[in-house]
Amino acid sequence: QKEVEQNSGPLSVPEGAIASLNCTYSDRGSQSFFWYRQYSGKSPELIMSIYSNGDKEDGRFTAQLNKASQYVSLLIRDSQPSDSATYLCAVNLRGSTLGRLYFGRGTQLTVWP
Amino acid sequence: NAGVTQTPKFRILKIGQSMTLQCAQDMNHNYMYWYRQDPGMGLKLIYYSVGAGITDKGEVPNGYNVSRSTTEDFPLRLELAAPSQTSVYFCASSDRGGTYEQYFGPGTRLTVT
Repeated sequence: QKEVEQNSGPLSVPEGAIASLNCTYSDRGSQSFFWYRQYSGKSPELIMSIYSNGDKEDGRFTAQLNKASQYVSLLIRDSQPSDSATYLCAVNLRGSTLGRLYFGRGTQLTVWP
Repeated sequence: NAGVTQTPKFRILKIGQSMTLQCAQDMNHNYMYWYRQDPGMGLKLIYYSVGAGITDKGEVPNGYNVSRSTTEDFPLRLELAAPSQTSVYFCASSDRGGTYEQYFGPGTRLTVT
């Protein structure tokens, strides 16, 4: 089993819809979870971090964490064409070297007008 | 604050040549990382460092070397370049503080022919 898995997509939603991106991870003891956005030809940009079970909201973005199910998701409300990018899930797995993150392969999101 | 900077942006190497990819950060971060990203794939960790003078291998270290003589700089050396090293290389840094949020440089696109 891969350490961090994401639904591969691509995911396509109309403008104004909610985009839902999912990620599962292998180690229940993991403590730190991140979502990065990567535009084509650019570097990953941190958009959300979450450390506790539940929801964390930041503007149109909501990260949801369920450690018992080893699941983290990202919801994008009122999706805009500018949200079209690849979204990478990253996890600091329990027992890994301090600071080391494991990345999923990413989900490509397209928001069409 | 420039954040994380990388040079060069692009480079074409011939098989067997060597080069150094430069990475610097001005955030006084202890942790630094080198990743490579192949098309459609996630980020694979090459080497990382938890402080000046301390480095360790990641998932794909073969064909690469690193050094960390200062907190700010973390160069990646490619010896005897091979076509399999054609990729986009990202440098990242994070604080020791425990949240492990990594911040990425703009990347170097390397082609080996």
